[in-house]
Amino acid sequence: QVQLVESGGGVVQPGRSLRLSCAASGFTFSRYAMHWVRQAPGKGLEWVAVTPFDGTNKYYADSVRGRFTISRDNSKNTLDLQMSSLKLEDTAVYYCARSDIVATIDYWGQGTLVTVSS
Amino acid sequence: DIQMTQSPSSLSTSVGDRVTITCRASQTINNYLNWYQQKPGKAPKLLISDASNLQSGVPSRFSGSGSGTDFTLTISSLQPEDFAAYYCQQSYRIPYTFGQGTKLEIK
Repeated sequence: QVQLVESGGGVVQPGRSLRLSCAASGFTFSRYAMHWVRQAPGKGLEWVAVTPFDGTNKYYADSVRGRFTISRDNSKNTLDLQMSSLKLEDTAVYYCARSDIVATIDYWGQGTLVTVSS
Repeated sequence: DIQMTQSPSSLSTSVGDRVTITCRASQTINNYLNWYQQKPGKAPKLLISDASNLQSGVPSRFSGSGSGTDFTLTISSLQPEDFAAYYCQQSYRIPYTFGQGTKLEIK
């Protein structure tokens, strides 16, 4: 069955960096686009970034563009999110998710919590 | 960016009620509209894709309709396990924006 397992969350100071990872299994990873979606405590869902099946392009929400970098390794079935210049408002649960060719997100990981605090 | 506006933001309702949640896009998105259910502490779950395509395993009391800019999610007879938050999302254009969510609460 499809499994997406995030890791790397934790507490970090404003202005510092953090790298999240997502390990995928149960499907052919190289055939799917992969996303990061986040949810601040008590708030709604915010789409963060996507990379297509081959990782050739990367797209970002305005709120993270220039600070976050999404990447994937199809040989290892992993998706990463490198986050730099973190802000208090980046505090959220970060979900790794997969989508089909029309960008419908059909599976989500369980999420990893990132807390930006001084 | 395409703005997605859901209403209501919360709804107090009872088991057996018929519930309709609406989602409006700020510009046409054809039928590239998905609905998700999220329970506390859990990841979202895809209920409906492409405005009206019920996902495998999702009970038939859930249905979706609409095209262009206006969409609805209907739950024909609420069950206890349906009390959760519901989100629409457009998959038409990046950034793939979500609605602000609708929380169903027990009356």
